[in-house]
Amino acid sequence: AQSVTQPDIHITVSEGASLELRCNYSYGATPYLFWYVQSPGQGLQLLLKYFSGDTLVQGIKGFEAEFKRSQSSFNLRKPSVHWSDAAEYFCAVGPNGGATNKLIFGTGTLLAVQP
Amino acid sequence: DAGVIQSPRHEVTEMGQEVTLRCKPISGHDYLFWYRQTMMRGLELLIYFNNNVPIDDSGMPEDRFSAKMPNASFSTLKIQPSEPRDSAVYFCASSSYNNEQFFGPGTRLTVL
Repeated sequence: AQSVTQPDIHITVSEGASLELRCNYSYGATPYLFWYVQSPGQGLQLLLKYFSGDTLVQGIKGFEAEFKRSQSSFNLRKPSVHWSDAAEYFCAVGPNGGATNKLIFGTGTLLAVQP
Repeated sequence: DAGVIQSPRHEVTEMGQEVTLRCKPISGHDYLFWYRQTMMRGLELLIYFNNNVPIDDSGMPEDRFSAKMPNASFSTLKIQPSEPRDSAVYFCASSSYNNEQFFGPGTRLTVL
């Protein structure tokens, strides 16, 4: 079955510290991979995406993610967290080609940033 | 482009009333998705359209929910009659060929 797992429901980091949010997926083939961020009261905004090629992808706001096929993972990282990064983060997977654009979302990781 | 537009942003209604949520996708996008987000159930896909045709409505909770897309620039999600358990934030998203979905700001629905 196709699924996305974000094992950390809630993470707290200190401002300036590094961050890694985990995402594992189960999919029939190499999917398209996405990270979205949702600030309180807002819609989801795309942070970055992986379609093919270089497995380390850069996104907005200083985020990056690495696709590891052998581990079926697409972890999100940031070297130094800012207070404004406090939000909920969603990993999503979708078909690489095919007749549907349907995405499967993880349950999200809520990030709190301590001063 | 203005992005995905949803209206209203907030809706408060009483149980039993009809509720209509509206969405204007990004011009040129041929997929449109309706999601519901709650604390308990997270983000749920309700229904999605391709070229104005409903493709998968398996996420629609029950017959009280219906969605239409009469043309490429407009979609509605209707709840009739509404119940308190329908209280949630409803998101519309659109995408083109590459699966990247663009989300609207959402409609926060409260059913009293």
